[in-house]
Amino acid sequence: KAGVTQTPRYLIKTRGQQVTLSCSPISGHRSVSWYQQTPGQGLQFLFEYFSETQRNKGNFPGRFSGRQFSNSRSEMNVSTLELGDSALYLCASTSEGLAYTGELFFGEGSRLTVL
Amino acid sequence: AQSVSQHNHHVILSEAASLELGCNYSYGGTVNLFWYVQYPGQHLQLLLKYFSGDPLVKGIKGFEAEFIKSKFSFNLRKPSVQWSDTAEYFCAVISYSSASKIIFGSGTRLSIRP
Repeated sequence: KAGVTQTPRYLIKTRGQQVTLSCSPISGHRSVSWYQQTPGQGLQFLFEYFSETQRNKGNFPGRFSGRQFSNSRSEMNVSTLELGDSALYLCASTSEGLAYTGELFFGEGSRLTVL
Repeated sequence: AQSVSQHNHHVILSEAASLELGCNYSYGGTVNLFWYVQYPGQHLQLLLKYFSGDPLVKGIKGFEAEFIKSKFSFNLRKPSVQWSDTAEYFCAVISYSSASKIIFGSGTRLSIRP
């Protein structure tokens, strides 16, 4: 069974630009959640999508948005990039969603550097 | 605000030493608790979880954790560490009355001296 796939793995942007990250979950998983990982902050929950609907949202500004497609693939968008957005962005999938999950399956992440 | 605290940011041990990593959370309702591990160059993976029942749970690779409700703690333990346990460890909590958001601690980096 293929794991969670995230693209691109690395990217460099400049302040003010926008970026779109992609996540393909494990086949059959309907829930995709996104996290921002920075040194010292750990992982911070961005949002969760389940069957194309945003189910939960963390405490991030509106510049961070996402969506999920009918095949469960998800994209995350960050507009008007700031230096502080430099981080590793992780996505995780699970079959039934955060409320029921016993295990999140993580991808390897997309490392975003904002210059 | 709900939070998860991992007070040890970096722990250095010698092989065969015993390990205990602390995790405390601030929430009084029903919670599910997890420990995830990130080995160098690898993705995060589940080490163990607590949903209900026996508060002492066993995970992979000889790890265990004890849920102490009165102390809001879920500490991770291993009686004898190996060099291959070098990794970053994250405690996480899902609370069921806050729209099922998952909160992670800031992580503890474990370095094992061979």
